[in-house]
Amino acid sequence: AQTVTQSQPEMSVQEAETVTLSCTYDTSESNYYLFWYKQPPSRQMILVIRQEAYKQQNATENRFSVNFQKAAKSFSLKISDSQLGDTAMYFCAFMKLIQGAQKLVFGQGTRLTINP
Amino acid sequence: DSGVTQTPKHLITATGQRVTLRCSPRSGDLSVYWYQQSLDQGLQFLIQYYNGEERAKGNILERFSAQQFPDLHSELNLSSLELGDSALYFCASSADYNDEQFFGPGTRLTVL
Repeated sequence: AQTVTQSQPEMSVQEAETVTLSCTYDTSESNYYLFWYKQPPSRQMILVIRQEAYKQQNATENRFSVNFQKAAKSFSLKISDSQLGDTAMYFCAFMKLIQGAQKLVFGQGTRLTINP
Repeated sequence: DSGVTQTPKHLITATGQRVTLRCSPRSGDLSVYWYQQSLDQGLQFLIQYYNGEERAKGNILERFSAQQFPDLHSELNLSSLELGDSALYFCASSADYNDEQFFGPGTRLTVL
């Protein structure tokens, strides 16, 4: 079974700083997807960024980028120029496709606080 | 706003009761997923439906069941409720089985 591990339960940085959230996963699959979701205090789950395992290029979405190391099974999220609105729980998630079905496996989350 | 709607927002009920949670996917999305988020178990996948058919099952208890209707909305039925069923229940939808999922706002269930 796939597992996703986020080793940092909590992190705190100052506004405008850069922060990196760690995620490792365990799988024997070669084709899969990885995601970062953000859950602000409103509890809404918001997709931040997506990475296909077959793509070597790291995904980027504005201030958010990932460092995908397939061999090391590592998928970290970098937030540049952090903003107060980035304060949230961040979940790393692994997805594989099985015969027309998909299942997301989430890590335990990292609570990120951006301080003014 | 993801386009996925869930009702009700909050539900308070007693042990032993049965409740139904409702989800309307984004327009055009064929797949619906249900998740449970609790303090001790984190976010857990429960079940997936695709165009009315069950496609994948996760850690869903036998007391729980779901279905997807012809208009693609879905319902999650929770019966014989226990205190430990108190959680935030999310519905998500995707256009196809290999697309990313978009989450609804969740239904917070409190079992007293």
